Amino acid sequence: EVQLVQSGAEVKKPGESLKISCEGSGYGFPGYWIAWVRQMPGKGLEWMGIIYPGDSDTRYSPSFQGRVTISADRSISTAYLQLSSLKASDTAMYYCGRLVGPTNYFDYWGQGTLVTVSS
Amino acid sequence: QSVLTQPPSVSGAPGQRVTISCTGSDSNIGAGYDVHWYQLLPGTAPKRLIYGNSNRPSGVPDRFSGSRSGTSASLAITGLQADDEADYYCQSYDNSLRGSVFGGGTKLTVL
Repeated sequence: EVQLVQSGAEVKKPGESLKISCEGSGYGFPGYWIAWVRQMPGKGLEWMGIIYPGDSDTRYSPSFQGRVTISADRSISTAYLQLSSLKASDTAMYYCGRLVGPTNYFDYWGQGTLVTVSS
Repeated sequence: QSVLTQPPSVSGAPGQRVTISCTGSDSNIGAGYDVHWYQLLPGTAPKRLIYGNSNRPSGVPDRFSGSRSGTSASLAITGLQADDEADYYCQSYDNSLRGSVFGGGTKLTVL
């Protein structure tokens, strides 16, 4: 069974950095793109970027380029999302999802990681 | 402001049919990229509802159907049920942004 399991909820202060994880199991992790998607409170889904764990090819949304780093460790089938210089507006639910191709659809999703940024 | 435009809300009585539109542009839906639909229930991760414009994953009732034409797509739900009440999102790929794009989401209320 394919599963994506994300790390637990985080509470951070403004200016701090954050790294959340997404562990894949039940499939060949290196062979599928993993994407990160943000959902701010009461708002819609926003695509942040993607990574192909097989060769670490990474692409970012222009809206997030510069403050977000996506990485992956094939040896432990885990993808990561790093956000720096956190702001209150980064408070959101962050989802990882497995993509069927870089231009295609999400077939599996993680359960989501709630990030709260507050002083 | 989302790249793909959806109505903020739709509603219908149990048993009725509703449609949710998703309007894009020549750099996404109009460029021939497929449209996919997801259902978000409160407190849960997105669930794939329709992929490749009109395909249903196993387990999704045939009450849900999708279509695409030109720069738009739509999701139709027939025989509305109370547990269809959720947020629905369309998704495609945009070749000018070089990434996936989502609609702003549509809240379905079953009256």
